[in-house]
Amino acid sequence: ETGVTQTPRHLVMGMTNKKSLKCEQHLGHNAMYWYKQSAKKPLELMFVYSLEERVENNSVPSRFSPECPNSSHLFLHLHTLQPEDSALYLCASSQGPNAGELFFGEGSRLTVL
Amino acid sequence: KNEVEQSPQNLTAQEGEFITINCSYSVGISALHWLQQHPGGGIVSLFMLSSGKKKHGRLIATINIQEKHSSLHITASHPRDSAVYICAVNSGNTPLVFGKGTRLSVIA
Repeated sequence: ETGVTQTPRHLVMGMTNKKSLKCEQHLGHNAMYWYKQSAKKPLELMFVYSLEERVENNSVPSRFSPECPNSSHLFLHLHTLQPEDSALYLCASSQGPNAGELFFGEGSRLTVL
Repeated sequence: KNEVEQSPQNLTAQEGEFITINCSYSVGISALHWLQQHPGGGIVSLFMLSSGKKKHGRLIATINIQEKHSSLHITASHPRDSAVYICAVNSGNTPLVFGKGTRLSVIA
């Protein structure tokens, strides 16, 4: 039990679909993150939220839209994705933004057809 | 921006062997993390350290600040240690910079 739960674990979508990834943390952390992991590449930071406010956005295409309604929940809304967006999307949380130990979810494996 | 290099990229060991994975970085840091990723995808934090040495069970992490280098050691390796081990660093409040990982396979 990592304390960070992601759903769905696997998602297959067409390029015209709209879907969302969900992340929930039960650790009382103030910061949450979305990372993208593609084959043979290091983890790439997409978004950082601190107390529901976005503090970091690493030039991510607008077809990825994050939402943080409260400090325990984080969403990644997906629309008109491209096949090259297929990857493992990992959610994480920590006590503060870019500080302290990171706790990761199990990841959502996304395939875009 | 910090550059993080890990070696080796791939490592195969016999059960019981002592294993060392290395991580080097280019710019002074506030913390270095060792993470473990199993085939299912989930990532577990093993250590966060800024100086000296930490030990947890059969795992030992060391860091040399002057040389900008850290090592992760696994004693008495076991097939369940098979995973990708990832080094990551940050400086001040900057986001973590990750290495590409070391894929470890321990054969019974």
